[in-house]
Amino acid sequence: QVQLQESGPGLVRPSETLSLTCTVSGYSSSSDNYWAWIRQPPGKGLEWIGSIYHSGSTYYNPSLKSRVTISVDTSKSQFSLKLTSVTAADTAFYYCARPVTIFGVVVMGAYGYWGQGTLVTVSS
Amino acid sequence: IVMTQSPVTLSVSPGERATLSCRASQSVSSNLAWYQQKPGQAPRLLIYGASTRATGIPARFSGSGSGTEFTLTISSLQSEDFAVYYCQQYNNWPPWTFGQGTKVEIK
Repeated sequence: QVQLQESGPGLVRPSETLSLTCTVSGYSSSSDNYWAWIRQPPGKGLEWIGSIYHSGSTYYNPSLKSRVTISVDTSKSQFSLKLTSVTAADTAFYYCARPVTIFGVVVMGAYGYWGQGTLVTVSS
Repeated sequence: IVMTQSPVTLSVSPGERATLSCRASQSVSSNLAWYQQKPGQAPRLLIYGASTRATGIPARFSGSGSGTEFTLTISSLQSEDFAVYYCQQYNNWPPWTFGQGTKVEIK
């Protein structure tokens, strides 16, 4: 059973960089790694931030692309999110997630596995 | 692609049927997922491919539609079904986009 756990600072100062890590357990394959970050401002809806694939390819939400970097460290079973120049609008619950796999086929974009989420507040 | 859900809030009595709608601003084929989210929890995948229930999802949840119009039906609401429901398209990206959510509350 795939499990994901976010970690990182809960408070970030405006204009600084938000850094989060997602640790994955219960999953050993390196050939079909597809990982994503999704966020949700308190009381609001969900926003897809971006994804990284086993090939190293990354895909970002155009609204955040200039500020986002997603990377993976397969040796540590972790992937990370960096968001630069944060403002109060970046205050949100941040989730890491993985698409569901059906009969060995990854259903891209259908996120069947989620971390519990971590609240990051941007404030001075 | 903009995803629009209706209604914003749905008041339903336990045991009744709930019908939630999701409309895409352009065709997403059948690449549509539904999620349930309860307070303080991460979203839970209910439906993918517009109509396929995810593992462990009760049969009272069903999805239908293709192209731009989609529906999530909960045939007989149980107490644990009162939550917020989101649709999400994964046909055209980036980005994958979510609807704004429908809150199903107790009438």
